[in-house]
Amino acid sequence: AQKITQTQPGMFVQEKEAVTLDCTYDTSDPSYGLFWYKQPSSGEMIFLIYQGSYDQQNATEGRYSLNFQKARKSANLVISASQLGDSAMYFCAMREGDAGKSTFGDGTTLTVKP
Amino acid sequence: DTAVSQTPKYLVTQMGNDKSIKCEQNLGHDTMYWYKQDSKKFLKIMFSYNNKELIINETVPNRFSPKSPDKAHLNLHINSLELGDSAVYFCASSQLPGLAARYEQYFGPGTRLTVT
Repeated sequence: AQKITQTQPGMFVQEKEAVTLDCTYDTSDPSYGLFWYKQPSSGEMIFLIYQGSYDQQNATEGRYSLNFQKARKSANLVISASQLGDSAMYFCAMREGDAGKSTFGDGTTLTVKP
Repeated sequence: DTAVSQTPKYLVTQMGNDKSIKCEQNLGHDTMYWYKQDSKKFLKIMFSYNNKELIINETVPNRFSPKSPDKAHLNLHINSLELGDSAVYFCASSQLPGLAARYEQYFGPGTRLTVT
């Protein structure tokens, strides 16, 4: 079974609107971390936001927020007030175990339209 | 100051050759990783080292051998390169294992390997 599933290969959003990128995960480890990374066309991987499995509140970082629904095993990324520079590939990832092994989803390509 | 650096950024070589990619981090992290991103952008972990000790070794051909001379460096040596090895290889680092689930990974800029 896939450990991280991103069901949206591509998404479009109008500039200044909000967009939600979906991510579901599968683990039996009670302690895990969920991460979102952005990969623009230039290729670098940029960390955006983190949610711990024991965190009671949803994580927020500026225009990024994580909609964490533990029972549903989902960790959707919400980007508010989209900007043209948000156009990129977005990866959801999970870290688990003592070694902190990361598993990445297949990514979602977001295109922001002017 | 570059946190995680990799050299070279681009590597073009012929099948059968042996090549190395170097990675250095100046973040003081104990754990370093190698990832492979294929042409479809799928990102998969290959290896992880904690303080020079191998802690994650995914199903990777024996032709790939990581080497960590110290905790700030993790190099990747590839023997007998094949066409299928063409990909972008990312080095990353993060805080301690055991608590690793709490910490993000810092990625290097990637090395684009092309095997002809």
